[in-house]
Amino acid sequence: GAVVSQHPSRVICKSGTSVKIECRSLDFQATTMFWYRQFPKQSLMLMATSNEGSKATYEQGVEKDKFLINHASLTLSTLTVTSAHPEDSSFYICSARAAEAGRQPQHFGDGTRLSIL
Amino acid sequence: AQSVAQPEDQVNVAEGNPLTVKCTYSVSGNPYLFWYVQYPNRGLQFLLKYITGDNLVKGSYGFEAEFNKSQTSFHLKKPSALVSDSALYFCAVRDRDDKIIFGKGTRLHILP
Repeated sequence: GAVVSQHPSRVICKSGTSVKIECRSLDFQATTMFWYRQFPKQSLMLMATSNEGSKATYEQGVEKDKFLINHASLTLSTLTVTSAHPEDSSFYICSARAAEAGRQPQHFGDGTRLSIL
Repeated sequence: AQSVAQPEDQVNVAEGNPLTVKCTYSVSGNPYLFWYVQYPNRGLQFLLKYITGDNLVKGSYGFEAEFNKSQTSFHLKKPSALVSDSALYFCAVRDRDDKIIFGKGTRLHILP
């Protein structure tokens, strides 16, 4: 089945550091990838939709200068949390859908737990 | 706007008993409905989907879901629960922009 790899799985860093999270589709091409944020005991909140070769579309309330998204190839999207602060600590999850997906489900990475000290 | 509701924060079931995790939806047009499962510190795993066709959808790990248009429900079911089924379950709907809208999740505890 379709596999999405997300790296790193866990990051602990100091306030003010920028952190990059990678999301790769390993066995399919993904024209669209999605980035979610999940707070403890809560549902997933869509942050942005990443389309290969074009600018990401951000959801209302998500700062695009804070959360930089790059989707440079059909198998890789990156999320960079710039100048991270403790309130950015969260579980970040990406998902990807195959280029010819149509009605197919999204496939999710295993998430990145970000802890800002 | 499309939405799903999971009325139960937590469901407790004894091992071997049938389980049901409830989901109702609100959509305009034909619904694309999904169930995902999340284990601790992991991403989401796809269980099953309803697009069209049979109202009873069979998915992974012995789970199934019944689409009921009149009740706008898509409850997740399994005839005999396993302890390993304990996890967080999300019902979801795809909206017109192809975004996935998740319910708040239901934590399933299977008691040995």
